[in-house]
Amino acid sequence: EIVLTQSPGTLSLSPGEGDTLSCRASQSVSNNYLAWYQHKSGQAPRLLIYGASSRAPGIPDRFSGSGSGTDFTLTINRLEPEDFAVYYCQQYGSSPRTFGQGTKVEIK
Amino acid sequence: EVQLLESGGGLVQPGGSLRLSCATSGFTFTTYAMTWVRQAPGKGLEWVSVISAGGGTTYYADSVKGRFTISRDNSKNTLYLQMNSLRVEDTAVYYCAKDRERLVGASEYWGQGTLVTVPS
Repeated sequence: EIVLTQSPGTLSLSPGEGDTLSCRASQSVSNNYLAWYQHKSGQAPRLLIYGASSRAPGIPDRFSGSGSGTDFTLTINRLEPEDFAVYYCQQYGSSPRTFGQGTKVEIK
Repeated sequence: EVQLLESGGGLVQPGGSLRLSCATSGFTFTTYAMTWVRQAPGKGLEWVSVISAGGGTTYYADSVKGRFTISRDNSKNTLYLQMNSLRVEDTAVYYCAKDRERLVGASEYWGQGTLVTVPS
C-alpha cells in the first residue's frame, strides 16, 4: 500500500496570499496518477487536479499541480474566501487507492 | 448535469448489514468506473472500493475486504455497496463518486454522502 504524507498539516493564510502544499508518497506513483481534492465540511469533495498536473474542468487557474514519482505539490495562488478548506492528495495508480491525511488551509 | 444521490444509510448494530445505493444521472453510466469513499467523524477521506465500468473488476481497501461488496446495475444506472459484519469503526459518511475513466481515473463527480452509524 502506498502511504501519502501531506505537509503542512495546517496552513494559515490571508485572502490574496498563495502557498504550496506537499504530498510525498512512500513509493513511486504509477503513471503519476495523483489527484488533489478540495473538501469543505458538509459538502461533497471537489476534484481539482488529476494526473499530477491536469486541472479538472471548471477549476480556476490559480490552482496548479506539479510533481512526479514520489513528490507532488499543489500550489494555490491569490487565495479567495471560498478556497479555505481541507485539501487531500490521492494516488489512484495502484490498489488500494490511498489518500493523504489532508492539509487544512485556514484564514489567518 | 451529472448527479449522484446516495441512500440507504442509517443506524445499524455491530455485526449487522446495510446496503447503500447511489442513483446516477447525466452521464453514460456504463462508460465509467465508480468509487466509494468514506469519512469517519473528525477524520480524513478513506478510499473504500472501486468497480470498473463493466463491473468485472473490483478492488477494496484492506479494512473492508471480505465484508463489503461493490456492485452496479448498468440497466438502472445505480451503484451499490453491500456492507456486512459492520463494526463501530465503519461509522462514517459514505460518498459515491464517478471516476474519469473505465477503470483507472480520478473521481471527478461526487454525491453529497449518506451517514452510516454503528454504535458502540
